[in-house]
Amino acid sequence: AQSVSQHNHHVILSEAASLELGCNYSYGGTVNLFWYVQYPGQHLQLLLKYFSGDPLVKGIKGFEAEFIKSKFSFNLRKPSVQWSDTAEYFCAVIPFAGKSTFGDGTTLTVKP
Amino acid sequence: NAGVTQTPKFQVLKTGQSMTLQCAQDMNHEYMSWYRQDPGMGLRLIHYSVGAGITDQGEVPNGYNVSRSTTEDFPLRLLSAAPSQTSVYFCASSSLLAGVSEQFFGPGTRLTVL
Repeated sequence: AQSVSQHNHHVILSEAASLELGCNYSYGGTVNLFWYVQYPGQHLQLLLKYFSGDPLVKGIKGFEAEFIKSKFSFNLRKPSVQWSDTAEYFCAVIPFAGKSTFGDGTTLTVKP
Repeated sequence: NAGVTQTPKFQVLKTGQSMTLQCAQDMNHEYMSWYRQDPGMGLRLIHYSVGAGITDQGEVPNGYNVSRSTTEDFPLRLLSAAPSQTSVYFCASSSLLAGVSEQFFGPGTRLTVL
C-alpha cells in the first residue's frame, strides 16, 4: 500500500527564515505529487504539483519543491517565509487515476 | 462557475441516525473523492469515483456509502452514525486528462455525532 510521511509535525520559524518541509512516499509505480496548503478555517488549496519533466517545480507564493526519484522524496522549500505563510501543509501522492494518499500534515507557525 | 459545493456546512447527529452529505461540482470533472480530516491524521480517503457509475473504496470506507449517478454529484451517506465519525468532511474533484491533476476542494462539512 502506498504511504506518505511528513517528517515535521510542527515547525516554528521567524519571518525571513528559510523553510524546508520533508515528504517521503512509498509506491511501486508512477505517481503524481502535490503539496497543498490549508490556512486556518479554510479548505485545501494547491501550492504546486509534479507530474513529469523538470524535478524542480515552482508553485504559488514563492514555494518550490524538488522531486528526487531515488529518495522517493518531494520536499517543499521557500527561501524566506512570511507571517502569512502560517498554515498547515500537506504532501499528497496519487497514482494515475487511483487512490490519493495524504501525509499527516505539518503545521507551520511564522512569528512576526 | 461555483467549483465544488458541499451541504450542509455543519451538522449534529445522534448515534444511530443516518444522513447524506451532498457534494456537487460544475467543472465536468471525472474524478471525485471524499475525505475526512481529523487532527494529526491529515486527510484520509473514504471513497472515490473516476466517472458516473464507477466508485471505489478508499482508506477508511466502513460506515459510509457513495453513489455516482451523474458527473456532477457525489453524495456521501452515513448509514448509522457513530461518535467515531465526528470529523470534518471534504469533497474534492479533478479532471483526469493527465491522471489525477489538481484536486479542487469544497468548503467542508463539520459533523458532530453525539
